[in-house]
Amino acid sequence: DAKTTQPNSMESNEEEPVHLPCNHSTISGTDYIHWYRQLPSQGPEYVIHGLTSNVNNRMASLAIAEDRKSSTLILHRATLRDAAVYYCILRWSGGSNYKLTFGKGTLLTVNP
Amino acid sequence: NAGVTQTPKFRVLKTGQSMTLLCAQDMNHEYMYWYRQDPGMGLRLIHYSVGEGTTAKGEVPDGYNVSRLKKQNFLLGLESAAPSQTSVYFCASSQTPSGGRGTDTQYFGPGTRLTVL
Repeated sequence: DAKTTQPNSMESNEEEPVHLPCNHSTISGTDYIHWYRQLPSQGPEYVIHGLTSNVNNRMASLAIAEDRKSSTLILHRATLRDAAVYYCILRWSGGSNYKLTFGKGTLLTVNP
Repeated sequence: NAGVTQTPKFRVLKTGQSMTLLCAQDMNHEYMYWYRQDPGMGLRLIHYSVGEGTTAKGEVPDGYNVSRLKKQNFLLGLESAAPSQTSVYFCASSQTPSGGRGTDTQYFGPGTRLTVL
């Protein structure tokens, strides 16, 4: 899988938007961009994924740069429950690559 | 829907003891996975299964065995536990991705914290 780079940590205030960046300059044309998060003492949780176009779901939005070398996960109104480690992961659509490759992610702290 | 459940939640073993971790999913997913998470190393895939009766090795399979006798269950066994196997173990499952492997999304259990003394 191609490599991703994320900031080690970010801070936000409750009820404010949060933009979590991810750089993936070596992304290939068939790599999907996935985001997972891991709340304290819990298993990872799927958040969102996309290929080229921006995506929205009930949890978040994913903004993908036109050249696809970077993306941003957007939490529109952060809550205390959003405090977690957020992982940006690239998934190649071909072959038999079954594993998710988790890096160190971004630790998001949400202040009340 | 309980999703993915794991038993036990915590376990302490002595070196050389054996145990089995049980993972169950009620989403009728074809694929199941076992990962381990160690501080500073992220999650690493131990074994996985693409269907009932089939298993395959991941990136760190040594010291572990698995079985998938029923579609909903995936068992991870440690025959002779070692301190290096102290970790948090996560099970996950996923449906056959209709849009190719790139669209596969995995659902994780709450984890089993294992300590080997």
